[in-house]
Amino acid sequence: QVQLVQSGDEVRKPGASVKVSCKASGYAFSSFGIAWVRQAPGLGLEWLGWITPYNGETDYAQKIQDRVTMTTDLSTHTAYLELRSLRSDDTATYYCARDPINGWHTFDHWGQGSLVTVSS
Amino acid sequence: DIQMTQSPSSLSASVGDRVIITCRASQNINNHLNWYQQKPGKAPKVLIYAASSLQVGVPTRFSASGSGTEFTLTISSLQPDDFASYYCQHSYRSPFTFGPGTKVDVK
Repeated sequence: QVQLVQSGDEVRKPGASVKVSCKASGYAFSSFGIAWVRQAPGLGLEWLGWITPYNGETDYAQKIQDRVTMTTDLSTHTAYLELRSLRSDDTATYYCARDPINGWHTFDHWGQGSLVTVSS
Repeated sequence: DIQMTQSPSSLSASVGDRVIITCRASQNINNHLNWYQQKPGKAPKVLIYAASSLQVGVPTRFSASGSGTEFTLTISSLQPDDFASYYCQHSYRSPFTFGPGTKVDVK
């Protein structure tokens, strides 16, 4: 069955960086994109961007495009989200989700979420 | 960027009630609209894709319609498992923004 398993919760100080991983199994990793979505405590869902593993093409939300890098490792079927220059408003649960490369961007499988807390 | 709005932001309902949630896009998105359900502490789950297509495994009490800028999600008879938050998301062009959500709680 399709599974996306994310890395554990993280605590960082303002200005630091964090890298969240998302290990995929149960499907052809290179045939689907991986989207990243975050949710600040008590708030709604925010699309951060996506990556197509087979060619590494990325598309980032303008709000964070200067601070984010999404990558994949085809050998381990793992996607990564790195966010730099962290601020307190980056505190959120970060989700990866499978994104079909068919133009519909329906996120049909999700990771369990990784809480990133930014605090001095 | 395309902005998404939802109404109401919250509603209280009883088991068996018919529930309707509305989502509006700031410009025409044809039928590029998905609906998700999220329970506290859990990842979202897709219910509907392409505005009206039921995701495999989702109960048939969920239905959706709409095209262009106005969309609705209907729960025909609310069940105990349906108390949750619901989000629309457009997939027309990047960025694929979500609506602010509608929380359905117990009356």
